Amino acid sequence: KQEVTQIPAALSVPEGENLVLNCSFTDSAIYNLQWFRQDPGKGLTSLLLIQSSQREQTSGRLNASLDKSSGRSTLYIAASQPGDSATYLCAVFNAGNNRKLIWGLGTSLAVNP
Amino acid sequence: SQTIHQWPATLVQPVGSPLSLECTVEGTSNPNLYWYRQAAGRGLQLLFYSVGIGQISSEVPQNLSASRPQDRQFILSSKKLLLSDSGFYLCALTGRGADTQYFGPGTRLTVL
Repeated sequence: KQEVTQIPAALSVPEGENLVLNCSFTDSAIYNLQWFRQDPGKGLTSLLLIQSSQREQTSGRLNASLDKSSGRSTLYIAASQPGDSATYLCAVFNAGNNRKLIWGLGTSLAVNP
Repeated sequence: SQTIHQWPATLVQPVGSPLSLECTVEGTSNPNLYWYRQAAGRGLQLLFYSVGIGQISSEVPQNLSASRPQDRQFILSSKKLLLSDSGFYLCALTGRGADTQYFGPGTRLTVL
């Protein structure tokens, strides 16, 4: 059974720092891995999707990497800003069951001015 | 691009009352649709998903039900709400296959 874990559960950093959020999964047979952002009281916004055949994806100051064999993904945020404060969630689509995502519990990020 | 509408945005209901939450989508055809619940301080819990009209898969046995009467409409219902049904309900969609998942704005439900 696929399980997704995110570490740390919470993170507080000063503005301007580069930071890394971690996501691990127990079964490497995945279609893709997705990173989302959730602001308090809001729905989720898709940030990046990495296909199982890819190693990384970039969007602006965000870079997500995928090491399928070790069951790990990282989300790198460069030059963090207070507007980056949110909860970041990762999720995977299992190969063979592409109908539902398996979710981590998220990392709550606070970027302090 | 696809858009997901949910209403109401907030809802306060007494224990034992019925519930109907509606989700409609635009800008896509034949999507997979999902209902999630997010309880305070907890992760996303998948409640139901649907791959087509009238096709509902239930992930968690409980007093909730879902229906998909039209391709772009997904409804979450309950005959009698429990206190434990309080939470933030999110509707989501993907295209066919393992695609990016898009979320609606959510409904905050408080059961008193």
